[in-house]
Amino acid sequence: AQKVTQAQTEISVVEKEDVTLDCVYETRDTTYYLFWYKQPPSGELVFLIRRNSFDEQNEISGRYSWNFQKSTSSFNFTITASQVVDSAVYFCALNFGNEKLTFGTGTRLTIIP
Amino acid sequence: DAGVIQSPRHEVTEMGQEVTLRCKPISGHNSLFWYRQTMMRGLELLIYFNNNVPIDDSGMPEDRFSAKMPNASFSTLKIQPSEPRDSAVYFCASSLAIAGRGETQYFGPGTRLLVL
Repeated sequence: AQKVTQAQTEISVVEKEDVTLDCVYETRDTTYYLFWYKQPPSGELVFLIRRNSFDEQNEISGRYSWNFQKSTSSFNFTITASQVVDSAVYFCALNFGNEKLTFGTGTRLTIIP
Repeated sequence: DAGVIQSPRHEVTEMGQEVTLRCKPISGHNSLFWYRQTMMRGLELLIYFNNNVPIDDSGMPEDRFSAKMPNASFSTLKIQPSEPRDSAVYFCASSLAIAGRGETQYFGPGTRLLVL
């Protein structure tokens, strides 16, 4: 069975601090895909990144970076120099190629000005 | 390019009434998904279509819920009769699915449904 765990329910940091959101997954499949989505207070779900299980290279996009480690089944997301606009709920999700996404419960991130 | 379009954005209805939610996927996408988000249950997949055909409806809560996709550019999710426990945000998402590739799903803005 697939499972995605986001153990951090809520995180608050002061603006400009770095913050890491954890995501741990379980799957028996060797081919799978991992995602992060952002849900700002306005409510929409915004796609951030997709990573397949064969690509363990870390990725950086501006202030965002992702660390994928198959050895620990983790796909963590770091925001550097956080800003108030980063305040949102962040979801990690897993797909093993059958088009069904399994979402974690989300981490609510609050950036304090 | 237009993203996934959902209507209405907000719906308030009374228990027992029929509710119809609408979705237009991104042009060219061949898979469409309906999700429900509640505080208690998080994001749940209700049903998904591939090439207009329902593939998996195991998440549909009960017979009061039905979904259709009459063509590649339109889908509906209907609740009849509605109940207060159906109050949630309903999201539609679409993707360009290639078998086994786990392609990205792009979400619409959601319909916030309140059943009184």
